[in-house]
Amino acid sequence: AQSVTQLDSHVSVSEGTPVLLRCNYSSSYSPSLFWYVQHPNKGLQLLLKYTSAATLVKGINGFEAEFKKSETSFHLTKPSAHMSDAAEYFCVVSASSNNNDMRFGAGTRLTVKP
Amino acid sequence: NAGVTQTPKFQVLKTGQSMTLQCAQDMNHNSMYWYRQDPGMGLRLIYYSASEGTTDKGEVPNGYNVSRLNKREFSLRLESAAPSQTSVYFCASSDSLGSLAGNTIYFGEGSWLTVV
Repeated sequence: AQSVTQLDSHVSVSEGTPVLLRCNYSSSYSPSLFWYVQHPNKGLQLLLKYTSAATLVKGINGFEAEFKKSETSFHLTKPSAHMSDAAEYFCVVSASSNNNDMRFGAGTRLTVKP
Repeated sequence: NAGVTQTPKFQVLKTGQSMTLQCAQDMNHNSMYWYRQDPGMGLRLIYYSASEGTTDKGEVPNGYNVSRLNKREFSLRLESAAPSQTSVYFCASSDSLGSLAGNTIYFGEGSWLTVV
């Protein structure tokens, strides 16, 4: 069984400042890990994914995440927030062999202040 | 550039009514999924289909049925709607189910369902 915990339900930053969205996972298998973004009234869009290659993963729109096995973490970062980054972000864990067993975190709402 | 298309976008039902959510993808994906999204709970898998002609239960299948009509289409049916089924429903698709590479899942834009 696997699960994911997003440590903050809401994060608020000022435009131009760094973003940190925290995610911890639990998995019995070597996990695949994803970050998805959801803008209001839209579907989810993949930001980036880790699948046992490089531990530092770069995604779209300047986001990146680092897989840390020792800490069971996969935190999402961005050096400088933009107003368009305001959205809901989901951390997702998947067993390496089954996409049907993906587990979504509860989500973190990111607010960006001008 | 349609991707995953689902209809209707909004629907209000009375308790006990039935309805079907339609979903189609144009990416030639083998696997398709139905999720529901509730506040503070992320997305939960209702049913999935690994390939045309097969369907399996996910985490929260009770009260739902699905049909994989062909490779493109995967519908979700509520036979007797209940207020607990008020939610946002997302259809999704991916290249394959059993990949070791953690295939990307592509989502539709959601269907807002209210049961009164």
